[in-house]
Amino acid sequence: QVQLVQSGAEVKTPGASVKVSCKASGYTFTDYYMHWVRQAPGQGLEWMGWINPNRGVTNYVEKFKGRVTMTRDTSISTAYMELSRLKSDDSAVYYCARLIAMAGNYYFDYWGQGTLVAVSS
Amino acid sequence: SSELTQDPAVSVALGQTVRITCQGDTLRIYYASWYQQKPGQAPVLVIYGKNKRPSGIPDRISGSSSGNTASLTITGTQAEDEADYYCNSRDSSGHHVVFGGGTKLTVL
Repeated sequence: QVQLVQSGAEVKTPGASVKVSCKASGYTFTDYYMHWVRQAPGQGLEWMGWINPNRGVTNYVEKFKGRVTMTRDTSISTAYMELSRLKSDDSAVYYCARLIAMAGNYYFDYWGQGTLVAVSS
Repeated sequence: SSELTQDPAVSVALGQTVRITCQGDTLRIYYASWYQQKPGQAPVLVIYGKNKRPSGIPDRISGSSSGNTASLTITGTQAEDEADYYCNSRDSSGHHVVFGGGTKLTVL
């Protein structure tokens, strides 16, 4: 069965960086784009960008360009999202999600369990 | 600001039917997908494409679309349907993803 298992909660100080991992299993990792979505406390879902695990190509929301880096290690079927120069409003739960894009359909069929990132001085 | 607009909150009596809507110009081109999120949990896909349900999603949950509006309908609403519901689709460029602001469904 498909599973996306994320790394554990992190506490960071402002200005630091955080790197969240997302280990995929149950399918061919390089066959599906991996997206990252975050959710601040009490807020909605905010899409951050994607990585094509096959080629390593990325696409980020303008808001995060220059601060976010999405990478992958195909040898261990793991995607990473690193966010730098953290601010207090980066405190959120960060999710990885597998995208299905075929035959006009475009949706996230599997999600990681989420990684809480708390930014506080 | 989101390109997809949802009502922030909707309530429904137990056993009744409720419709949650999602509006946006890109829905004239792309299907919306819908996610259910309960407190402390990751979102779960409930509807995608033209009214398709993943395995395990009850058939009391359905989707539809007309013009720039996608709808999620729950018939015979159960207590366990109380959750936040989010729609999502592509943005106007087709290259990015956008989520609606979410609708909190309360079952009375």
